[in-house]
Amino acid sequence: AQTVTQSQPEMSVQEAETVTLSCTYDTSESNYYLFWYKQPPSRQMILVIRQEAYKQQNATENRFSVNFQKAAKSFSLKISDSQLGDTAMYFCAFMKQYSGGGADGLTFGKGTHLIIQP
Amino acid sequence: DVKVTQSSRYLVKRTGEKVFLECVQDMDHENMFWYRQDPGLGLRLIYFSYDVKMKEKGDIPEGYSVSREKKERFSLILESASTNQTSMYLCASRGDRGTVSNQPQHFGDGTRLSIL
Repeated sequence: AQTVTQSQPEMSVQEAETVTLSCTYDTSESNYYLFWYKQPPSRQMILVIRQEAYKQQNATENRFSVNFQKAAKSFSLKISDSQLGDTAMYFCAFMKQYSGGGADGLTFGKGTHLIIQP
Repeated sequence: DVKVTQSSRYLVKRTGEKVFLECVQDMDHENMFWYRQDPGLGLRLIYFSYDVKMKEKGDIPEGYSVSREKKERFSLILESASTNQTSMYLCASRGDRGTVSNQPQHFGDGTRLSIL
């Protein structure tokens, strides 16, 4: 079984600052995917970024980037030039890789509530 | 864009009632999932399905069952609702490209269920 740990229940930063959310995970799988999801007050879960474990290059999506350290089982999210609209719950999630059929759900961390102050 | 629709945004039921939560997706996705979300606990997987009439238990299946009679629809059933099932319930779907499951899950807006 996998576990995902987010050690920061809440963080608060000023608008335009850079913030890093931490995530560590534990697994015996070799092939897997990692995700960051954002859940604003509207409750819609929005995919922010994903990382394939076999890729050494860190994923980036505009102002969002990850620092993926496979050996350390760490997957932190960096938000640059933070904006008021980034205020949300952020969840780190793990998924095993399946081939040839079958499926599995996501294993989520408990979330980090990020508040961007004006 | 993928659309995952949950039939109710808010629902209030009484203890002992049989409760149905419905979820429909419009992208012909093979895989569908039910999670519950509780403060301080994150999201936990209840059940999932990778094909019509197929179902698999997740991490917390007790007190729940599911039904998938059509590919686009996945129902969560609370056989006899109890107050500890008061929670936010999120449905998700995911497609598979080729033979490798590397697609993200797409979520509905959630149903906030209160059991009185």
